Amino acid sequence: EAGVTQFPSHSVIEKGQTVTLRCDPISGHDNLYWYRRVMGKEIKFLLHFVKESKQDESGMPNNRFLAERTGGTYSTLKVQPAELEDSGVYFCASSQDGWEKLFFGSGTQLSVL
Amino acid sequence: LAKTTQPISMDSYEGQEVNITCSHNNIATNDYITWYQQFPSQGPRFIIQGYKTKVTNEVASLFIPADRKSSTLSLPRVSLSDTAVYYCLVGYYGGSQGNLIFGKGTKLSVKP
Repeated sequence: EAGVTQFPSHSVIEKGQTVTLRCDPISGHDNLYWYRRVMGKEIKFLLHFVKESKQDESGMPNNRFLAERTGGTYSTLKVQPAELEDSGVYFCASSQDGWEKLFFGSGTQLSVL
Repeated sequence: LAKTTQPISMDSYEGQEVNITCSHNNIATNDYITWYQQFPSQGPRFIIQGYKTKVTNEVASLFIPADRKSSTLSLPRVSLSDTAVYYCLVGYYGGSQGNLIFGKGTKLSVKP
């Protein structure tokens, strides 16, 4: 069974540019989560999808971040325009039943220069 | 979600048993305790979960005292490959929230 896949693994962009991160959850997992770790900080929750609906987006830092999950399958996280403080590792996770057992991807390392 | 407190780091040698304790004084009745492991350049990986007493799987054991204000993750006979960061999380089982609080975790270093 394929795990959670994230693309790209690394992205280097300049301040003001746009970047789109993609996450393919494990097939059949209705729950999809985005987390991120900025340099030296803890892993922080961004948002949670149940199928295609946003269940909780309380962790989204500002309106420069837009997450979508069309059709309840893969998800994208767009940052537009990117700022220096957006640099960090963005993790995606999926689960079948809820938060109790999450399956994480390897993350996307985002560097904004 | 209940806040947790763990040691920042621990050192061990190959073959030893490692016990990592997590404090969660404000745990609620419906909260479960879950531990994740994270290797460099990877996402966290689920290790074990429990509610009370003892839970054991092929990777680790989880000990939870009666008052549930703390829990101990036990790794038997660690190897170099167990060097990782270990996170203790507490949350309501069956809830739909995903706002997990990872904290700083415990960085375990296993030496030969």
